[in-house]
Amino acid sequence: AQKITQTQPGMFVQEKEAVTLDCTYDTSDPSYGLFWYKQPSSGEMIFLIYQGSYDQQNATEGRYSLNFQKARKSANLVISASQLGDSAMYFCAMREGLQGAQKLVFGQGTRLTINP
Amino acid sequence: DAGVIQSPRHEVTEMGQEVTLRCKPISGHDYLFWYRQTMMRGLELLIYFNNNVPIDDSGMPEDRFSAKMPNASFSTLKIQPSEPRDSAVYFCASSLWLAGTLSTDTQYFGPGTRLTVL
Repeated sequence: AQKITQTQPGMFVQEKEAVTLDCTYDTSDPSYGLFWYKQPSSGEMIFLIYQGSYDQQNATEGRYSLNFQKARKSANLVISASQLGDSAMYFCAMREGLQGAQKLVFGQGTRLTINP
Repeated sequence: DAGVIQSPRHEVTEMGQEVTLRCKPISGHDYLFWYRQTMMRGLELLIYFNNNVPIDDSGMPEDRFSAKMPNASFSTLKIQPSEPRDSAVYFCASSLWLAGTLSTDTQYFGPGTRLTVL
């Protein structure tokens, strides 16, 4: 079974609109971490945001926020006020177990295109 | 601060040749990871090290692949002999885990090496 599922292969959004990228995960471990990475066309993997399974608040980093719904096992990335530079592949990843367990499993990614 | 450094950025080689990819992790990080990214299989973890010791190499596809970390600031991934199906982008990443802290053990990636085996 897929550990990380990103159901949107591609998304097209108008500049300045907010966008939500979906991510669902599957684990029976009560301790886990969820990560989002951005991969622009240049190829590098850029860390965006992290959410721990015990975190009470949804994570936020500037224009990025994570809509964490633990019961539904979803960790959607929300980008507010999208910009042309947000066009990229976005990957959701999960680390099972306590910090230090280290193995990350990645989803297949969502390609986001921001239209002017 | 310097991020993860990988070399070469691009490598084109012929089938059967030996390929060596290099990585310098972020200074002070105690975990190092090698990933492979292809269109078909996405991002796959090949192997990771903790304090220079290999912890999990279950993702290494076959004996043609080997990885070493002789010291805290250098690692290599070697493919010998290389095959066309090894063509991919290979990423190195590093992280720091501080037990008993709220650190997130986030993995920071290098720019990748694009390998083409003809």
